Amino acid sequence: QKEVEQDPGPLSVPEGAIVSLNCTYSNSAFQYFMWYRQYSRKGPELLMYTYSSGNKEDGRFTAQVDKSSKYISLFIRDSQPSDSATYLCAPNAGNMLTFGGGTRLMVKP
Amino acid sequence: DTGVSQDPRHKITKRGQNVTFRCDPISEHNRLYWYRQTLGQGPEFLTYFQNEAQLEKSRLLSDRFSAERPKGSFSTLEIQRTEQGDSAMYLCASSLVGASETQYFGPGTRLLVL
Repeated sequence: QKEVEQDPGPLSVPEGAIVSLNCTYSNSAFQYFMWYRQYSRKGPELLMYTYSSGNKEDGRFTAQVDKSSKYISLFIRDSQPSDSATYLCAPNAGNMLTFGGGTRLMVKP
Repeated sequence: DTGVSQDPRHKITKRGQNVTFRCDPISEHNRLYWYRQTLGQGPEFLTYFQNEAQLEKSRLLSDRFSAERPKGSFSTLEIQRTEQGDSAMYLCASSLVGASETQYFGPGTRLLVL
């Protein structure tokens, strides 16, 4: 079993929809929880991160961490076609990032 | 542009050849990381440096792989005697110690071994 699990998708939604992307993890040592967005054939781009449990909002994006259930979520409001990409969750115990496999999101106009 | 840069962006080589990739981190960042990403997977950690010291290596980093960061600035990743299984995107990231360890990635070097 991988340390970080993500549904690979693809997840297809209409423009304007609310999107929910999720990860589960097994390592209790993770403290920081990053979300990266990756367009095809590009490097990952940091979207946002949270420290420990709780919520964090940044524009249309909200990240949630529930350490008791080892569950990480990213919500995207008012999704746009430009949000079409692969979303990677990446918890961090202090040094290297441990990535999930990514969820491919397609937002249709 | 003050982001992480990588060179070359693409490399095609024949099995058995050696290849070397370069990464230039964000200038004030003292940590530099190498990851490998295969199609449909998330990046996997290979190794990282703090300044010029290589502090951790994944068991994915076989003896054919070597990384250096001689002056604590740019880094090189060399693969000797390439194999078809080495075909992947090689990603470099950098961070500043203490700043939530937020890592910023470069565009990657895509390697194809024929």
